[in-house]
Amino acid sequence: QVQLVQSGAEVQKPGASVKVSCKASGYTFSTYYIHWVRQAPGRGLEWMGIINPSGGSTSYTHKLQGRVTMTSDASTSTLYMELSHLRSEDTAVYYCARDGYLSTALDFWGQGTLVTVSS
Amino acid sequence: EIVLTQSPGTLSLSPGERATLSCRASQSVTSSYLGWYQQKPGQPPKLLIYGASSRATGVPDRFSGSGSGTDFTLTISRLEPEDFAVYHCQYHGTSYTFGGGTKVEMK
Repeated sequence: QVQLVQSGAEVQKPGASVKVSCKASGYTFSTYYIHWVRQAPGRGLEWMGIINPSGGSTSYTHKLQGRVTMTSDASTSTLYMELSHLRSEDTAVYYCARDGYLSTALDFWGQGTLVTVSS
Repeated sequence: EIVLTQSPGTLSLSPGERATLSCRASQSVTSSYLGWYQQKPGQPPKLLIYGASSRATGVPDRFSGSGSGTDFTLTISRLEPEDFAVYHCQYHGTSYTFGGGTKVEMK
């Protein structure tokens, strides 16, 4: 069965960087794009960006351009999202999600990774 | 950039009642890319509806989606206890925008 398993919770200081991983299994890794979505406490969902695991091409939301980097490692079927220059407003649960149904929706989601930014 | 506005913010209903949730786009969107997700506390979102009206695998038929252009609706025909949750709409186009969510709470 399709699974996206993310790395554990992180606590980082303002100005630091964080790297969250998302290990995919149960399907052909290179066939499906992966999105990253975050959710601040008590808030809605915010789309961060998308990566094509085959080749590594990416597209990011303008808001995070220059601070976010998404990468993939086909040898381990793992995706990564790194966010730099962390601010308190980056405190959120970060999700990876698969681009499915012929790229019309997010059909499988990781369990989420809580990133807390605090001094 | 497309903005999705969901209403109401909170819907207070009893089990067995019908729930009607609205998602309005700031400009006309392609129905093929309009989806609905259910999210329970401490869990990731779960896809319910894609293409505005197609149920995802395993989703009960009490959930239905409709609409076109700028106005879309998620209907839950008879609320079950497990349906009380937050519902998000999303445009899966170039901006992949989410709406602000509607919380369906038990009255």
